[in-house]
Amino acid sequence: DAKTTQPPSMDCAEGRAANLPCNHSTISGNEYVYWYRQIHSQGPQYIIHGLKNNETNEMASLIITEDRKSSTLILPHATLRDTAVYYCIVRVGGGATNKLIFGTGTLLAVQP
Amino acid sequence: GAVVSQHPSWVICKSGTSVKIECRSLDFQATTMFWYRQFPKQSLMLMATSNEGSKATYEQGVEKDKFLINHASLTLSTLTVTSAHPEDSSFYICSARGTTHEQYFGPGTRLTVT
Repeated sequence: DAKTTQPPSMDCAEGRAANLPCNHSTISGNEYVYWYRQIHSQGPQYIIHGLKNNETNEMASLIITEDRKSSTLILPHATLRDTAVYYCIVRVGGGATNKLIFGTGTLLAVQP
Repeated sequence: GAVVSQHPSWVICKSGTSVKIECRSLDFQATTMFWYRQFPKQSLMLMATSNEGSKATYEQGVEKDKFLINHASLTLSTLTVTSAHPEDSSFYICSARGTTHEQYFGPGTRLTVT
């Protein structure tokens, strides 16, 4: 079973920041948080991942709370092409045996 | 980033026949490949994990005799749906992992069984 909970849907105005929350209260100390997104009828696209520290890349920022029980994905300037289902995933298992178990995700609708 | 391809992108087959789906890592060697299934308006469900040269490990509830997985090389894994039935119609997605331990996903294969 997935170890994350996310709101089923969110709206965001184009050009504004999109903040997507995720709860992972049962996360273990060595488990990473991953974010992927899936545009309709395509394979998931990697966005970002982190363990303890906040992370930023060209696509997004990931803010992880100090107790690691929740995180927020931030898309700084959402565009219409960012409309997708966003999955927050706790990677289970370590090293070569790790795997990604998807939860239900958040459907982000970016409005013009 | 690393590229994973799938072939075919969509396939229609008749009930009772078998269908093979290929998954390739194009620019890296995939020591592990994963197969997921996704029904309409649902999330991805992990079906099995395969390591190159080894038998696949299936998730609970997935029939290993129905979904045959072969991972014969570091760049190719195949999923064969045997004796397909309409309820097997779904979106099948593979992913591959190399030495960096990150997973890259293919574009998916839409299977329709009539």
